[in-house]
Amino acid sequence: AQTVTQSQPEMSVQEAETVTLSCTYDTSESDYYLFWYKQPPSRQMILVIRQEAYKQQNATENRFSVNFQKAAKSFSLKISDSQLGDAAMYFCAYLSMNRDDKIIFGKGTRLHILP
Amino acid sequence: EAQVTQNPRYLITVTGKKLTVTCSQNMNHEYMSWYRQDPGLGLRQIYYSMNVEVTDKGDVPEGYKVSRKEKRNFPLILESPSPNQTSLYFCASSYLAGAGKETQYFGPGTRLLVL
Repeated sequence: AQTVTQSQPEMSVQEAETVTLSCTYDTSESDYYLFWYKQPPSRQMILVIRQEAYKQQNATENRFSVNFQKAAKSFSLKISDSQLGDAAMYFCAYLSMNRDDKIIFGKGTRLHILP
Repeated sequence: EAQVTQNPRYLITVTGKKLTVTCSQNMNHEYMSWYRQDPGLGLRQIYYSMNVEVTDKGDVPEGYKVSRKEKRNFPLILESPSPNQTSLYFCASSYLAGAGKETQYFGPGTRLLVL
């Protein structure tokens, strides 16, 4: 069975600095999707970025980028120029391309932004 | 505007009093799912549905029921709520196939307290 591990329950970063949130996963499949979701204090789940496993190029969305290492089964999120609004819980998630499988979430990393 | 709506957003109830949390999406998604989020446990899937009249158990289905009579609606039913069902609940939806199938859209969440 697939698993997703976020080893950092909490992290802090100074405003305007860069922070990297780690995520590792375990799967025997070769085709899948990976996601980072943001959950701000409002509790709504917001998709930050997604990566298709067959793509070698790392996904980027403005200040958010990923370092996808397929062989190492690692999918870290880098936030550049951190802003106060980035403070949230971040969830890493895995979804098999076989749609019968459910999306698997990590337990989350709470990110604090220090002014 | 494409969205997933949940009602109610907040609910306090007592043990044993049946309740329903509604979920509706306006994107014609085939796939819908319910999750609960608890501290230290991340998001766990309760039930999911791949189309009308097709539902399946997720990781933690005990104590819950769902139905999918219409494509847009996927209510979560707690026949006899207990305090261990106090949690934050999310509904999510996505396409089942084709472009965009990999992205789940989340509702705003429903915070439930069972006394």
